[in-house]
Amino acid sequence: QQPVQSPQAVILREGEDAVINCSSSKALYSVHWYRQKHGEAPIFLMILLKGGEQKGHDKISASFNEKKQQSSLYLTASQLSYSGTYFCGTGTNFGNEKLTFGTGTRL
Amino acid sequence: ETGVTQSPTHLIKTRGQQVTLRCSSQSGHNTVSWYQQALGQGPQFIFQYYREEENGRGNFPPRFSGLQFPNYSSELNVNALELDDSALYLCASSRIGTIEQYFGPGTRLTVT
Repeated sequence: QQPVQSPQAVILREGEDAVINCSSSKALYSVHWYRQKHGEAPIFLMILLKGGEQKGHDKISASFNEKKQQSSLYLTASQLSYSGTYFCGTGTNFGNEKLTFGTGTRL
Repeated sequence: ETGVTQSPTHLIKTRGQQVTLRCSSQSGHNTVSWYQQALGQGPQFIFQYYREEENGRGNFPPRFSGLQFPNYSSELNVNALELDDSALYLCASSRIGTIEQYFGPGTRLTVT
């Protein structure tokens, strides 16, 4: 079963913040975040592992709540370059297993 | 630039035909995963190859098959094409035991 992302779409002005959520009904080992621009391949943003760690680089960060099987991606002071569709991909085992992707959030 | 390349970029086929898509992995990466992405959807896992053997498969019929070569490049073959096979096909490479998967630019397949 694929993870559920919310919201489905969001419109921001430059400089505004956004939060994208990803929820799974399965016990997760990892959450992978990607950004995809129209007609292009998904670009890897970051991975969060079981343990509830928070990660970030530049003005994009993410958290993983292992107990709730939820992850959130935080975009602060958004820039035009942040536009695209954000996908979370979930993994249930360590190593190279299949990723199950959500339906995406268009920013 | 991820170092993962795919060919061809675009392809148009007729229903019932067969197609082969190719993927060249990033240097040092020995695992390749293939995904199908329909318009407006997230990528769906087809299968993964490691050391030239299938290492996990998603919910796709047997007419989707693959190969991995000693140089870690890979092929995706689809037989008896159906209209619903029209999609962007993505390959992603990674090193076994690590987590990150890096996608290639994809092959856009249109079945008419």
